[in-house]
Amino acid sequence: EVQLVESGGDLVQPGRSLRLSCAASGFTFDDYAMHWVRQAPGKGLEWVSGINWRSDVITYADSVKGRFTISRDNAKNSLYLQMNSLRTEDTAFYYCARKVAGNYPFDSWGQGTLVTVSS
Amino acid sequence: EIVLTQSPDTLSLSPGESATLSCRASQSLSSSFLAWYQQKPGQAPRLLIYGASSRATGIPDRFSGSGSGTDFTLTLSRLEPEDFAVYYCQQYGSSPRTFGQGTKVEIK
Repeated sequence: EVQLVESGGDLVQPGRSLRLSCAASGFTFDDYAMHWVRQAPGKGLEWVSGINWRSDVITYADSVKGRFTISRDNAKNSLYLQMNSLRTEDTAFYYCARKVAGNYPFDSWGQGTLVTVSS
Repeated sequence: EIVLTQSPDTLSLSPGESATLSCRASQSLSSSFLAWYQQKPGQAPRLLIYGASSRATGIPDRFSGSGSGTDFTLTLSRLEPEDFAVYYCQQYGSSPRTFGQGTKVEIK
């Protein structure tokens, strides 16, 4: 069974940093590109960042570019999101999601971890 | 960036009825790289449809997708109690991958 389990969400003050993790199991992790998608409470879905299996193709939404860094460790079947200079508007549930390489949708999602940025 | 606009924002229907959800793109989607997801309260999104009309694994045939270019439709036939949820369209042919704002299908 495919499982994606996010962790690391917390309440943090504006300007601080946080690192999210996503542990994958039930599939061959390095066969897939991985992404982060977020959802502010009661709002819609926003794509945040993506990384291919070799970590040589990385993309970011303009809203997080220069502040967030995505990475992965295929040996540990894990995906990460380093979030720096957090803003109140970054408050959201953060989901990791997998996709097959190329133009394919997100076919499996984790349950999400909540990041709250507030003073 | 491709903007996706879903309509209506909310649909109020009874079990057994059918629902038609619309997703309009600001520019033509190459090769119909359009997906639909279902999200229930407190849960992650679930992939329903990809390639505009192909059902994902395990999705019942009461869910169907159609459309091309800029206009796409998700049809839910014979609504079951578990189908009441929020539905999002997403284009995945160009970066950034964008989502529509969602359509809530609620029980009337």
